[in-house]
Amino acid sequence: QSALTQPASVSGSPGQSITISCTGTSSDIGGYNYVSWYQQHPGKAPKLLIYDVTNRPSGVSDRFSGSRSGNTASLTISGLQVEDEADYYCCSYTSDSSWLFGGGTKLTVL
Amino acid sequence: QLQLQESGPGLVKPSETLSLTCTASGDSIRTSSYYWAWIRQSPGKGPEWIGSIYYTGSSYSKPSLKSRVTISVDTSKNQFSLKLSSVTAADTAIYYCARHIEPGYFDYWGQGSLVTVSS
Repeated sequence: QSALTQPASVSGSPGQSITISCTGTSSDIGGYNYVSWYQQHPGKAPKLLIYDVTNRPSGVSDRFSGSRSGNTASLTISGLQVEDEADYYCCSYTSDSSWLFGGGTKLTVL
Repeated sequence: QLQLQESGPGLVKPSETLSLTCTASGDSIRTSSYYWAWIRQSPGKGPEWIGSIYYTGSSYSKPSLKSRVTISVDTSKNQFSLKLSSVTAADTAIYYCARHIEPGYFDYWGQGSLVTVSS
């Protein structure tokens, strides 16, 4: 089972908004409301940003939002800040009762 | 506040068995709402879910790894463990333990433990 498809890199300037896409199939992203997003800074463990497609855990900034259209999920970061520079990963439950992550997107804040 | 800490050998020889333990503090792993997971990340790659276990010992794992994976739990020590047999260089990765809000997501992660498979 291949990883979910994410762009390798995205970039933006402070204050701007960016969107990271995550493409799967009807057997994962399109079939279940269990898409989550994680932020990972170098040398650190992933941190949960979004769960169940659109929900934010307490303590996560409302600048982070999630959505889905068909087999593609998206993470939008508004009001980009320097500290948002990190790797971002999507994750989805799949039809074989397992969890599949994306290959990751490196966000550069210019 | 829940904290998770992985422990185990950092170097394993090819064909041998990788063994890691995750110790939870700040909360009990006997909590009925949660599963407990192992996730690994090879250098430069996305994370890969390995498997999850409930405090009763009920576990399940990624189909492609299932034949090599054993996950167990010791509630008396507030720990859960991973064994991965017949390792190869492809199993070299940072191994994380995490709390798994079944079925949807992983909300607390340990700091990770680098395991290198090499002779």
